[in-house]
Amino acid sequence: SQTIHQWPATLVQPVGSPLSLECTVEGTSNPNLYWYRQAAGRGLQLLFYSVGIGQISSEVPQNLSASRPQDRQFILSSKKLLLSDSGFYLCAWSRRRHEQYFGPGTRLTVT
Amino acid sequence: AQTVTQSQPEMSVQEAETVTLSCTYDTSESDYYLFWYKQPPSRQMILVIRQEAYKQQNATENRFSVNFQKAAKSFSLKISDSQLGDAAMYFCAYRSARGAQKLVFGQGTRLTINP
Repeated sequence: SQTIHQWPATLVQPVGSPLSLECTVEGTSNPNLYWYRQAAGRGLQLLFYSVGIGQISSEVPQNLSASRPQDRQFILSSKKLLLSDSGFYLCAWSRRRHEQYFGPGTRLTVT
Repeated sequence: AQTVTQSQPEMSVQEAETVTLSCTYDTSESDYYLFWYKQPPSRQMILVIRQEAYKQQNATENRFSVNFQKAAKSFSLKISDSQLGDAAMYFCAYRSARGAQKLVFGQGTRLTINP
């Protein structure tokens, strides 16, 4: 069966510091991968998606970037965090034309 | 661009009763998918049910069923025999059948189950 992992689970970072969140999927190959952000008490906003290694599409211009160095690895990064980057970050995967499955998420607090 | 609207920020129901959560969406496409996801306090998103737009039959999963009205662009979720474990945020989501198949989410409905 397929599983999706995210780490860290919780992160507290000062403004201006770098960020690296990692997502990995097991048990499938060539998945679509997605990064979402959820502000407190709100729905999910798609940040990035990838249909293959090195292929990244950005949905919202912002202080973040994404990379896919391996087939089942998706990384969300920032060079300098802003207070507005605080939130709950969810990674998801899907096969072509199938529903998305989400990881456990990372709670990021920028202080 | 597609939009999804959940007009009920909060709902509550007595344990063992039935509750219906509303969702409407806006799209010009004819081929798409609709989903309901559940987000418990752990905050992990859990797929509850999915509906293909080309299917007229409403999807069901055990105690969960949908009322899909394509012409009205409505997609409600009915939870029968509500249980305490059903308490969560529920999100309606739309996905085009074309392109990268990204999800567009509504703002969510917080469901409380009263014992």
